Amino acid sequence: DTAVSQTPKYLVTQMGNDKSIKCEQNLGHDTMYWYKQDSKKFLKIMFSYNNKELIINETVPNRFSPKSPDKAHLNLHINSLELGDSAVYFCASSQGTGARSGNGYTFGSGTRLTVV
Amino acid sequence: AQSVSQHNHHVILSEAASLELGCNYSYGGTVNLFWYVQYPGQHLQLLLKYFSGDPLVKGIKGFEAEFIKSKFSFNLRKPSVQWSDTAEYFCAVEAYSSASKIIFGSGTRLSIRP
Repeated sequence: DTAVSQTPKYLVTQMGNDKSIKCEQNLGHDTMYWYKQDSKKFLKIMFSYNNKELIINETVPNRFSPKSPDKAHLNLHINSLELGDSAVYFCASSQGTGARSGNGYTFGSGTRLTVV
Repeated sequence: AQSVSQHNHHVILSEAASLELGCNYSYGGTVNLFWYVQYPGQHLQLLLKYFSGDPLVKGIKGFEAEFIKSKFSFNLRKPSVQWSDTAEYFCAVEAYSSASKIIFGSGTRLSIRP
């Protein structure tokens, strides 16, 4: 019974295409995140939503657009894909905004995006 | 803004050796601290966390970490490593702010020789 699930697990696509990655959590958490892990394993936060409201929007190209239809889902849509977008994208969730509980985040298994 | 430094990029040990991975953070206020592990091809899993209280925290699989506030450090330790500990280890910090977020260090790759 996966807590944070992402689909697809692998995504290979051509430059210029538009693609979406979906994320769902069944933990009852109200905050969700997208992180990007590059080829050097560096993890960088991209977005955070709390109860469907955007609360963190890091310096990310506006080709990336998150959408949260409800607090259990946070999808990531990417327009006009570029070679540099190739990475592993991790979804995560936490209860509240995290700091006060100190519980950390629960991560999904990642989506490996390869742009060719 | 907070930041995290992991000084060891790649550590190679033999089985049964002791492990210490360094982690320093920069932030002047209250923080939560974490160590996450990422086994090859898998997602990040929480090893242990420091929220408050006893600065020596114990996590899963025999790992522990010590928070030294004066040194802004949160080093990870294990007295005797196993081959199955081969993984990438990430230190992370979450600052108490209006929009808290977990910032990760660059990771330390741990390779264990059987």
